[in-house]
Amino acid sequence: QVQLVQSGADVKKPGSSVKVSCKASGGTFSNYAINWVRQAPGQGLEWMGRIIPVLGVANYAQRFQGRVTITADKSTTTAHMELSSLTSEDTATYYCATSNCPSGSCHNWFAPWGQGTQVTVSS
Amino acid sequence: DIQMTQSPSSLSASVGDRVTITCRASHNINIFLNWYQQKPGKAPKLLIYTVSSLQAAVPSRFSGSGSGTDFTLTISSLQPEDFATYYCQQSFSTPFTFGPGTKVDIK
Repeated sequence: QVQLVQSGADVKKPGSSVKVSCKASGGTFSNYAINWVRQAPGQGLEWMGRIIPVLGVANYAQRFQGRVTITADKSTTTAHMELSSLTSEDTATYYCATSNCPSGSCHNWFAPWGQGTQVTVSS
Repeated sequence: DIQMTQSPSSLSASVGDRVTITCRASHNINIFLNWYQQKPGKAPKLLIYTVSSLQAAVPSRFSGSGSGTDFTLTISSLQPEDFATYYCQQSFSTPFTFGPGTKVDIK
């Protein structure tokens, strides 16, 4: 069973970028996609995008297009999500979560999840 | 984008109660509807995928139904550990969108 461990909390200035990592252990890194979902304080869940490491292909939600980059390093079984041009509205907990991709087609429900990374954007 | 709505936004219930949460999609999503439970300060946990398939280790008091645009999550007999917020999520097309959540608290 795959387990996901994320990098620690971060505080960033407006206009800067943040990079959050998600280390996968157990399972086979090539058999699933890594999704990124964020949750602003007291708010709901928002899917940002995903990467399928075996293909090296990333898909992004339109509202983050141009500001988010998701990458995966197969050698370290680690995915990264970088978000640029930060504003206070990007203050949130960022989660990674896997979805299985048997035979090249992904089941787009998310389990398991990482523990979450709190990102605070403040001047 | 497919918009997801849930009702009610919150409810108060007692241990042993039967609880039903409704989720509606703005477009036909066939059976591509999933449910998550989230407790304060914790990551969401998958309960049910593709409408009615129970994730491993999830108690059988949780069940799901529906198709197309209207879906339901039912907890047959609410337990103390079930007090949480519940989210539906469509996996029909990107961006994968979530409902706004239903908070279940103690009456």
